[in-house]
Amino acid sequence: DTGVSQDPRHKITKRGQNVTFRCDPISEHNRLYWYRQTLGQGPEFLTYFQNEAQLEKSRLLSDRFSAERPKGSFSTLEIQRTEQGDSAMYLCASSSWQGAGNTEAFFGQGTRLTVV
Amino acid sequence: AQKVTQAQTEISVVEKEDVTLDCVYETRDTTYYLFWYKQPPSGELVFLIRRNSFDEQNEISGRYSWNFQKSTSSFNFTITASQVVDSAVYFCALTEGDSGAGSYQLTFGKGTKLSVIP
Repeated sequence: DTGVSQDPRHKITKRGQNVTFRCDPISEHNRLYWYRQTLGQGPEFLTYFQNEAQLEKSRLLSDRFSAERPKGSFSTLEIQRTEQGDSAMYLCASSSWQGAGNTEAFFGQGTRLTVV
Repeated sequence: AQKVTQAQTEISVVEKEDVTLDCVYETRDTTYYLFWYKQPPSGELVFLIRRNSFDEQNEISGRYSWNFQKSTSSFNFTITASQVVDSAVYFCALTEGDSGAGSYQLTFGKGTKLSVIP
């Protein structure tokens, strides 16, 4: 296990369709984060999990977005009824939190979503 | 609220020149972490450094060095003798760092695109 992996790398979808992305974190990491990055901007926090529990969601995460991490390992991010404004790079990151502090977050290569 | 400002949108330098990327941050937390990440064209954010708010020592790693100054809320990044492979977008980021239930979510600046010309 060499890093965070995301699938697919690219996704083109028609407006109104549902899409799902997958993230496999570094195996020993118990925290998993989703970020969204639009062109020319820095990544923006969407949500994070500690093990299987989703502990925080940004107000950027509308009702059309849902994320899961059912067994505390991989995570999925689903966008329902996609809109053109959803076009962005979706980045996943993982880190390890053991109660005494958090390690730095390591990022995957992202899934680039284009809604046409 | 936390905020990170990278005022330089794009910088171009000729290979072997030194270049400094600026980062100014705002936070009300007394304990926090600062980061630099590199994003090459492939898209993956590559971790470069993490510095906590209690450690103002400058750090050097090869051609990279970082200058953390709490008095000016800055965490600047210098690349010495730049190379073409340094061409990328560089992000400065901030997170709260207490050992409680904080999410450690990162607040990123908008990034500085560095182009190193051969």
